[in-house]
Amino acid sequence: NAGVTQTPKFQVLKTGQSMTLQCAQDMNHEYMSWYRQDPGMGLRLIHYSVGAGITDQGEVPNGYNVSRSTTEDFPLRLLSAAPSQTSVYFCASSYSMSGSGELFFGEGSRLTVL
Amino acid sequence: EDQVTQSPEALRLQEGESSSLNCSYTVSGLRGLFWYRQDPGKGPEFLFTLYSAGEEKEKERLKATLTKKESFLHITAPKPEDSATYLCAVPVYFGSGTKLNVKP
Repeated sequence: NAGVTQTPKFQVLKTGQSMTLQCAQDMNHEYMSWYRQDPGMGLRLIHYSVGAGITDQGEVPNGYNVSRSTTEDFPLRLLSAAPSQTSVYFCASSYSMSGSGELFFGEGSRLTVL
Repeated sequence: EDQVTQSPEALRLQEGESSSLNCSYTVSGLRGLFWYRQDPGKGPEFLFTLYSAGEEKEKERLKATLTKKESFLHITAPKPEDSATYLCAVPVYFGSGTKLNVKP
């Protein structure tokens, strides 16, 4: 019973490099989302998706891209990493298409941008 | 925009010392008030959902309550294993959490 799986768990990038954080869920949830968590600022919503082919911006979308080609996968892309993107990233999914149900979180991906 | 404010930021309790965590919220239409527990290095785990003022939910030593502007997470006779960060959300916007440390 995997739930929400994120890879990688740790990553170090240099400024300007690109990378993709992977997220997969096996619960057939339509709603998926990405958060970043910084000390003292809680979880902030980056992007979310209510189904395959549908994505939308959250509170802090700048510098991040997403796509949703399947129900299971929701990757987060950093096109040109900046030190301000150093954070812990969490992927979450929900059985509620509007995201108004409980969220199931992955274990997180810790990203450091030098 | 929906907003959530949690207090205190940190709380240190002795084992058995009961207390409460506060979550104040401002929303255009409440679609649920959610409480999560987060252990260090882990993702948040769901605890409770409350939908209407006056509603209460309990789980072991935790009880969550809801008014029209606030929610409280009451911790009765806490144990060291209750140490964690507790987050509230409405439902996709999160507060910054209360870090609870229970000392034996």
